[in-house]
Amino acid sequence: GEDVEQSLFLSVREGDSSVINCTYTDSSSTYLYWYKQEPGAGLQLLTYIFSNMDMKQDQRLTVLLNKKDKHLSLRIADTQTGDSAIYFCAESIDGGSQGNLIFGKGTKLSVKP
Amino acid sequence: EAGVAQSPRYKIIEKRQSVAFWCNPISGHATLYWYQQILGQGPKLLIQFQNNGVVDDSQLPKDRFSAERLKGVDSTLKIQPAKLEDSAVYLCASSLGAGRLYFGAGTRLSVL
Repeated sequence: GEDVEQSLFLSVREGDSSVINCTYTDSSSTYLYWYKQEPGAGLQLLTYIFSNMDMKQDQRLTVLLNKKDKHLSLRIADTQTGDSAIYFCAESIDGGSQGNLIFGKGTKLSVKP
Repeated sequence: EAGVAQSPRYKIIEKRQSVAFWCNPISGHATLYWYQQILGQGPKLLIQFQNNGVVDDSQLPKDRFSAERLKGVDSTLKIQPAKLEDSAVYLCASSLGAGRLYFGAGTRLSVL
């Protein structure tokens, strides 16, 4: 079945770059997503990438997609303490049309001042 | 623009009791989802509505869980009777499509 794998923890210093990695299994996924969850809050969509793209940049966020290896990464430049949160990678399993997403377990990012 | 509203924020019940959660999606969003997030896990889809029709309820434990979306707007999710393993955060989300989901803050359920 479909599965999304992420490392569970990442710790960086303020001002450094953070790279969060994810692997997925469904090669037919049309869209891949990154969501952010702060303590006690719901998930917030950060960015997404269409499967025919290799890279997408949005301000401090860069998403890289290696479709051959089914590997997705999220790079946060100039990481701030406010970026501390859990980051979820998700793939759509229905071509993206219905929004049925499979989420990874999340990577907890800790930013030290 | 108002976000997805959920209530209550917290609920503590004993096993075998019943509980209901309420969700009001973003105005105009036809698609509504209920996700279950167990501590330390990613959210798992329970049920998806398109307007007031069910699109996918394949992972909903139908012997104890039920959900409805009357008039294609608000939705309620009910658990009857609750089990210990139902302790989780129940997240409601809505979207215009293509996986760009807007989540509510969730209801944290503790079953004792």
